[in-house]
This record gives sequence, C-alpha cells and structure tokens, in this order.
Amino acid sequence: EPEVTQTPSHQVTQMGQEVILRCVPISNHLYFYWYRQILGQKVEFLVSFYNNEISEKSEIFDDQFSVERPDGSNFTLKIRSTKLEDSAMYFCASSQDRASYEQYFGPGTRLTVT
Amino acid sequence: DAKTTQPPSMDCAEGRAANLPCNHSTISGNEYVYWYRQIHSQGPQYIIHGLKNNETNEMASLIITEDRKSSTLILPHATLRDTAVYYCIVRRNYGGSQGNLIFGKGTKLSVKP
Repeated sequence: EPEVTQTPSHQVTQMGQEVILRCVPISNHLYFYWYRQILGQKVEFLVSFYNNEISEKSEIFDDQFSVERPDGSNFTLKIRSTKLEDSAMYFCASSQDRASYEQYFGPGTRLTVT
Repeated sequence: DAKTTQPPSMDCAEGRAANLPCNHSTISGNEYVYWYRQIHSQGPQYIIHGLKNNETNEMASLIITEDRKSSTLILPHATLRDTAVYYCIVRRNYGGSQGNLIFGKGTKLSVKP
C-alpha cells in the first residue's frame, strides 16, 4: 500500500538554526499538508499546498516557515530560525484532491530545539 | 477550534465492541463527520466518514443521529492494537473547503485484555 514517508525521523537542532523537514507524498496525490503536534497537545494544522502554491495557512505558519516542492516527489517544510517552542512532532500528509475523504499522514519527524 | 466534544478517555475489554461518542451540535448541512485515530504519536490514520447515513467499512461503523448533532464510532471487536486516541472531526468536503483537518483532544481508548 502506498504511504507517505518523512525524513529524518528525529532532528535535533540548536535555537536559531535553520531546519528542513522532508516528506515524500503518495505519488498521484495533488494536495499536501503539514501539521504539528507539541508533546501532549493537539495536532495543529500548519499549511496546505497545491499546484506549487500555498492554499491555506494557519496563524502558526508565520514568516519563519516556508514550504516547497523542489522536484516532482519531495515536499519540504523549512523553519528559518528555530525557537525552543518549535519543538514538536511534524506530520506531513497528502490527499488526492482537496475534497478527498482521506488524508494520508506520514510517520512524523520529531524536532527537538535545544 | 474543534467543533466537536468527546469524552477524554474510555476503556474497553478486548473482543468487545467499543462505542465512542461525539457531539457536534453546531454541524452545518454541508459538513461531514470524520473519524481519525492516532496510535502512540504515529501519524493520524483515517477511519471512516459520513454525512447523514450510517456507514460501515472494514475498520468500523459510524452511526449518525437523525438530527446530525451527534455520532458514535463503533469498533465491533476491539483488539489491543486499537488502543489509540480517536478524533471526531467535522469538515466540509466541497464548495470551498480548504481541506485542512481541525483536531480536538479526542478520546483516548484503552483496550484491556
């Protein structure tokens, strides 16, 4: 069964450093998403992406965040200058289209900012 | 914010049916009810969705009340692997839906031997 993959599984970085989290969505999917989950808290929507542009973003997704689909397979989330409060599990998801019933989530990247 | 209310936790004996309730009293006519689950910090996993009719698939059944203000997810024969946090989410599917899911705190289901 096709699946969303994410790398790395765990990333440790120092405050102020840039990080790039990588995702490979399911190959025939057109919509891509990033969510995050701070330890012990709710899963929160960050951004959705379609046709090489952002469809929607939440208040969390400020100027420190950016997303990109640099080639036909990868979907990346960049945090320019990490803060301690960026420590969280970051999930990538994809769906066949915007109205698709099902979003497929990856296993997540645990980001630890020290 | 999430438009749903769920009990924070429930227990279920292995092999028995798990019935997880959800209140969504402010649901709009064009909003669907979705259920996802998250097993121990893994990525959320889609279970089932419905609009107003009851639905069943290989994982679960979804019962939606006639007024659509509440629903129940039923796992007919719960196993230890069903231990997870279950999220009830309302979301539009068409006509401008942006597609993102708004998660609440969910119900932590513990299946016990």
